[in-house]
Amino acid sequence: DIQMTQSPSSLSASVGDRVTITCRASQSISSYLNWYQQKPGKAPKLLIYTASSLQSGVPSRFSGSGSGTDFTLTISSLQPEDFATYYCQQSYRTPYGFGPGTKVDIK
Amino acid sequence: QVQLVQSGAEVKKPGASVKVSCKASGYSFTNYGISWVRQAPGQGPEWMGWISAYNGNTNFAQKFQDRVTLTTDTSTDTAYMELGNLRSDDTAVFYCAIDTIAGADEALDYWGQGTLVTVSS
Repeated sequence: DIQMTQSPSSLSASVGDRVTITCRASQSISSYLNWYQQKPGKAPKLLIYTASSLQSGVPSRFSGSGSGTDFTLTISSLQPEDFATYYCQQSYRTPYGFGPGTKVDIK
Repeated sequence: QVQLVQSGAEVKKPGASVKVSCKASGYSFTNYGISWVRQAPGQGPEWMGWISAYNGNTNFAQKFQDRVTLTTDTSTDTAYMELGNLRSDDTAVFYCAIDTIAGADEALDYWGQGTLVTVSS
């Protein structure tokens, strides 16, 4: 199975900060990488698909980059509604594993 | 609008089975497969498997292959996930989800609300 790791596991940031989350795959997954946001008690919400495509309705402050094994999710200016946990997921090969998550909370 | 509505919370004893339903609306049911995702308390999501609503083909994560059954009912636009031989570490929220984005397989853009399954003696 392809293993997904994320760093950091948590971070504290302020409104307006630029935030970067990293995801690494244990082998090359081309650009088959998706990012999700999850708030407590809610289902994950798709933000970015195929590494860099912004899902419809998602604010443009979210962006994704990377290919192969290393990927990044960037929030250009953190907003109050962005405090949540973020997960990456590979969709290259089954099982389509998720990363362990990065919790973004208020500094 | 696309909606996936799941059945309610369940409490089961170890060794029992649970069957979770996922009723789809707002799209042609057979156009998209249904994925199932498990999320244990405080953990990240875990992909369990997928079923084609068109022809019933399935694909499972190996760790669930022996215990999970995925089915669909095209007469009611409903998908089902049955997990057998439940253990306490199966306590989790189970989600159904679909990917509708062309060229982005398994980018899950619509999710059900989740079903909490608690396994306890």
